[in-house]
Amino acid sequence: KQEVTQIPAALSVPEGENLVLNCSFTDSAIYNLQWFRQDPGKGLTSLLLIQSSQREQTSGRLNASLDKSSGRSTLYIAASQPGDSATYLCAVRPLGRGSTLGRLYFGRGTQLTVWP
Amino acid sequence: DTEVTQTPKHLVMGMTNKKSLKCEQHMGHRAMYWYKQKAKKPPELMFVYSYEKLSINESVPSRFSPECPNSSLLNLHLHALQPEDSALYLCASSQPAPRGYTFGSGTRLTVV
Repeated sequence: KQEVTQIPAALSVPEGENLVLNCSFTDSAIYNLQWFRQDPGKGLTSLLLIQSSQREQTSGRLNASLDKSSGRSTLYIAASQPGDSATYLCAVRPLGRGSTLGRLYFGRGTQLTVWP
Repeated sequence: DTEVTQTPKHLVMGMTNKKSLKCEQHMGHRAMYWYKQKAKKPPELMFVYSYEKLSINESVPSRFSPECPNSSLLNLHLHALQPEDSALYLCASSQPAPRGYTFGSGTRLTVV
């Protein structure tokens, strides 16, 4: 069964720092990996989607990399701002059929606090 | 339209009530999902509908009853819930892999 781990579980930094959030997964047979942001009590907002054949994706101050063979992804946040405070979740979509069809496997998230 | 819309945003219900959660998308996605999320935990899959047919039921208690009336709508009917069912219920949709998921903003359910 696919297991997804995120490190660190929590991160508190001053505004302006460049950040690294880590995600690892145990089974490299994936279609893609997706990074989400979740504000307290809210739904999930998709930040970046990386296909299994891709190495990285960028959107504004966010950059996500994927090393499928080693089962790792990293989310870089440049010049962090207080508005970046949220929980960041990574999720992998596995290859295969049957019980794995369509499902996402989530990590437990990194809770980020950026203070002014 | 690139959104998944969930209603209501908040719901308080007694253990003997019957209520329904609604989810709607107009992106042409043919897979729709219900997830349950407890505080400080990742979302847990409940049901998957693919082309309006139930394809995965994660051994969810029968007091939760999903329904997919058409390709744009997904309902979750609730009956005789327990306080431990209080959670954020998230709906999502996707195209077949390798496309990504789109989540709704969720329904915060409190069972009293």
